[in-house]
Amino acid sequence: KAGVTQTPRYLIKTRGQQVTLSCSPISGHRSVSWYQQTPGQGLQFLFEYFSETQRNKGNFPGRFSGRQFSNSRSEMNVSTLELGDSALYLCASSLEGTNYEQYFGPGTRLTVT
Amino acid sequence: GESVGLHLPTLSVQEGDNSIINCAYSNSASDYFIWYKQESGKGPQFIIDIRSNMDKRQGQRVTVLLNKTVKHLSLQIAATQPGDSAVYFCAENRGYSTLTFGKGTMLLVSP
Repeated sequence: KAGVTQTPRYLIKTRGQQVTLSCSPISGHRSVSWYQQTPGQGLQFLFEYFSETQRNKGNFPGRFSGRQFSNSRSEMNVSTLELGDSALYLCASSLEGTNYEQYFGPGTRLTVT
Repeated sequence: GESVGLHLPTLSVQEGDNSIINCAYSNSASDYFIWYKQESGKGPQFIIDIRSNMDKRQGQRVTVLLNKTVKHLSLQIAATQPGDSAVYFCAENRGYSTLTFGKGTMLLVSP
């Protein structure tokens, strides 16, 4: 079974731009969660989607948004990028949600200049 | 490789030793705990999980111990190998469908 895939793997953007990251979960998994990983803050939960509905959201500003499609693929969007948004963005999928085994993708490394 | 954390606690062991990585959690309502391994340039890899109604769970070369009295979790790796070198994170589910991660511990295994 293929693992979680994320595209693109690397991205460089300029302050003020917006960016869209994509995640394809493991086949059959209906829950997709997004995390931000930085050296200073570690791994922080962004949001979780299940059957196209956002079930939970972490403590991030409204510039961070996401969605999930009927095939469980998910995208996250960051608008008006700031230097502090530079991070590794990780997507994880699971059958039912975060209370079950979550499998992570390789991440998208976003650099904001 | 990519840095996944600065000033992480580091555990250095010799190949063949047993390793113990510790994690404290703060929320007594947490009901599900997971250990992840993250190698440089990769996403976290699931190692083992445990639910709050258990105090021990064993996998292949790994054992997780949960002490709810003192809110402590540990990961034991038997016969540590150089390929075990990575950053290890514990994560807890606080019952709100979110995972909260610890800061991580770097395990360095020398041959």
